[in-house]
Amino acid sequence: DVKVTQSSRYLVKRTGEKVFLECVQDMDHENMFWYRQDPGLGLRLIYFSYDVKMKEKGDIPEGYSVSREKKERFSLILESASTNQTSMYLCASSAGTNSGNTIYFGEGSWLTVV
Amino acid sequence: LAKTTQPISMDSYEGQEVNITCSHNNIATNDYITWYQQFPSQGPRFIIQGYKTKVTNEVASLFIPADRKSSTLSLPRVSLSDTAVYYCLVGDDSGAGSYQLTFGKGTKLSVIP
Repeated sequence: DVKVTQSSRYLVKRTGEKVFLECVQDMDHENMFWYRQDPGLGLRLIYFSYDVKMKEKGDIPEGYSVSREKKERFSLILESASTNQTSMYLCASSAGTNSGNTIYFGEGSWLTVV
Repeated sequence: LAKTTQPISMDSYEGQEVNITCSHNNIATNDYITWYQQFPSQGPRFIIQGYKTKVTNEVASLFIPADRKSSTLSLPRVSLSDTAVYYCLVGDDSGAGSYQLTFGKGTKLSVIP
């Protein structure tokens, strides 16, 4: 089975802190994604990466950056956390970005910024 | 412009068949239609995928009409454990060289005893 592992399940951070959310996948997938999910808003794409060191902005990239130094690892960075970034963050991977490729999700990271 | 449109919520009694329809008027020729299920506090997981006509697996059926502008997820004889949010996903060619996969807001299905 494909496994997407997010390093932290629950985090509480202070406003202004730098936050790292780490994600690892074990299926040698080319593509990795970061989404955030808020009540009533569904899943919104923050960034995705189709190759090592490559990244593309999604629908809501403001306030976030990403890093993909190795194929299996995709990190989401909040340079200066703010309370409006309190949310659940979901990492995902797929073999391709064609809609015929299944997306595999991690269990999610709940971030609270106080 | 939303890629997909689904009802926000649906209620059903246990044992009934549930049909959730997704509208995707601007679907591209090479797009597949995929449905995901999400339980509270978990990431979404794949249910079923199709390109045209009908697809059936052990969990659900997917009906896609000839014009492919909509699709219907059919869950036979639902149980309480089918209470979840269901997402319909098609491709999203932004036209700027990047090809995203954008989820809509999903349909919250509540199964009632």
